[in-house]
Amino acid sequence: SQTIHQWPATLVQPVGSPLSLECTVEGTSNPNLYWYRQAAGRGLQLLFYSVGIGQISSEVPQNLSASRPQDRQFILSSKKLLLSDSGFYLCAWGPGTYSPLHFGNGTRLTVT
Amino acid sequence: QQPVQSPQAVILREGEDAVINCSSSKALYSVHWYRQKHGEAPVFLMILLKGGEQKGHDKISASFNEKKQQSSLYLTASQLSYSGTYFCGTENSGGSNYKLTFGKGTLLTVNP
Repeated sequence: SQTIHQWPATLVQPVGSPLSLECTVEGTSNPNLYWYRQAAGRGLQLLFYSVGIGQISSEVPQNLSASRPQDRQFILSSKKLLLSDSGFYLCAWGPGTYSPLHFGNGTRLTVT
Repeated sequence: QQPVQSPQAVILREGEDAVINCSSSKALYSVHWYRQKHGEAPVFLMILLKGGEQKGHDKISASFNEKKQQSSLYLTASQLSYSGTYFCGTENSGGSNYKLTFGKGTLLTVNP
């Protein structure tokens, strides 16, 4: 069966510090991968998605970036965090178009 | 294009019914419904594909009107476990079929 791992679960970082969140999927190959962000009490905002290694589509221009160095690994990064980067970050995978997304347990990021 | 959900919030007593609506300004190819408990990741409920189909899952069902670019989620005889935030996610035909854009969510509270 397929599983998705996301870490860390919680993170507190000062403004201006770098960020690296990692997500890996097991039990499937060539999944579509997604990063969403959820601000407190808000909806799910799509940040990045990837349909293959090295293929990243950005939805929102900001100081975040994403990379997919391996087929089942998706990384969200920032060189310098802003207060507005605080939120609940969710990684998700899907087998392809018109298929359900499966979410990781999320990372709660607080930028102080 | 982010779909619009209504209502933003609804409070029910156990056993009552609710309807959550989701509409898009662009043509839809599929609509997904997810439920998120507080502090947890969203969980997939159902997907409706182009063709105006309806689906049911226990006492939760949904419809998709392709012409009106709308979907509705029906919760009948609500249970306490139905509490949470419901999100619709849409895939738009004609563009990239690999991304799912979510609405802002509907907070459903079921009281005893």
